[in-house]
Amino acid sequence: EVQVVESGGRVVRPGGSLRLSCVASGFTLEDYGLSWVRQVPGKGLEWISGIYWNGGNIGYADSVKGRFTISRDNAKNSVFLQMDSLRVEDTAFYHCAVDYSGSYSRFDLWGQGTLVTVSS
Amino acid sequence: DIQMTQSPPSLSSSVGDRVTITCQASQDISSYLNWYQQKPGIAPKLLIYDASTLETGVPSRFTGSGSGTHFILTITSLQPEDIATYYCQHFADLSPTFGPGTKVTVK
Repeated sequence: EVQVVESGGRVVRPGGSLRLSCVASGFTLEDYGLSWVRQVPGKGLEWISGIYWNGGNIGYADSVKGRFTISRDNAKNSVFLQMDSLRVEDTAFYHCAVDYSGSYSRFDLWGQGTLVTVSS
Repeated sequence: DIQMTQSPPSLSSSVGDRVTITCQASQDISSYLNWYQQKPGIAPKLLIYDASTLETGVPSRFTGSGSGTHFILTITSLQPEDIATYYCQHFADLSPTFGPGTKVTVK
């Protein structure tokens, strides 16, 4: 089955760090763009970061710029999100999303998400 | 930054009704717009890309139209399985953003 599965979400204190992972199965990620999209439970969707298939373009939403870092490891068929200086408002489900066109213009395949809770 | 708005925030219609959801961009985004459907507890699903191209496997009762700043998602005959929240999303620059969503329920 073609899918992506996120992991790494947990409860963390404000100011803390966390690293999320997303691994693909049933296909290889190397030709595809990848993004992280978050959703506060009961609220809307927010794109927070994306990386092109070749790593040549990386983007961040203003809300996370300078605090979060996206990376990919094609050998591990994975994408990662390093989250530093976490804030209460970063609490959300974090979804990994795949763009078959190679950029991060659309989100063809989504994971179910991993929950990050930032709380003291 | 390009801002996206949607109307209405929610709607309730009967099975078989024609349903229209509007998405407005704060500036011209050509046809750089996608639509997603999200059912409760499930990850979003791509319905339409490039404003009007139906994703493979999506029922033909879903159609997308528009360009520039004004876009429309139409469900030509609402079905019970269409209960969901619908989001538009632009990709006119390297910072894609979503609209706030439209929640669709069936009377």
